[in-house]
Amino acid sequence: DAGVTQSPTHLIKTRGQQVTLRCSPKSGHDTVSWYQQALGQGPQFIFQYYEEEERQRGNFPDRFSGHQFPNYSSELNVNALLLGDSALYLCASSQLRVYNEQFFGPGTRLTVL
Amino acid sequence: QQQVKQSPQSLIVQKGGISIINCAYENTAFDYFPWYQQFPGKGPALLIAIRPDVSEKKEGRFTISFNKSAKQFSLHIMDSQPGDSATYFCAASIETSGSRLTFGEGTQLTVNP
Repeated sequence: DAGVTQSPTHLIKTRGQQVTLRCSPKSGHDTVSWYQQALGQGPQFIFQYYEEEERQRGNFPDRFSGHQFPNYSSELNVNALLLGDSALYLCASSQLRVYNEQFFGPGTRLTVL
Repeated sequence: QQQVKQSPQSLIVQKGGISIINCAYENTAFDYFPWYQQFPGKGPALLIAIRPDVSEKKEGRFTISFNKSAKQFSLHIMDSQPGDSATYFCAASIETSGSRLTFGEGTQLTVNP
């Protein structure tokens, strides 16, 4: 059983560019949450998707947007990249109606130059 | 606003010793408290979790102690091993609101052989 997978592993972009990160949840999971983890800090909640809709959102600007597909996979899009967007972006999946436990993927390391 | 405060920032323990990491929270609506372990280059992995209806939960060498009145909880790692060297994060969430996790700042644990 594959766990949570994310792509790409690493990404280098320049300021002002746009980026799309992808996540496939653990088999049987229907909810995907995205977190940003700056170096040396704990993950910060960006938003959560369930039934293809954004259910909750953290304190992140509208430059951060997402999408969930019918197969429960998800994308995180960041527009107008800033140097401060450099971080590890983590995807976590869970079963909203059954479990509280969230299982994290390995993350995508984004570097903005 | 930092809702979950974690200490210490770093911890060095000898093999076989006890590692203790503490967390304090502010939001009394939190009702689920997990601990995650993260190795370099990996996503956080769920170790153990507790709900406020119990004061202690033990799984193998890992124990969570929970003090609802003090709004504090801690992770104890018994018989610490070099393989336990990692960064540990406490977290908190409100189960009924979709399990959005609020993380502490993390503790870097080093277990010396």
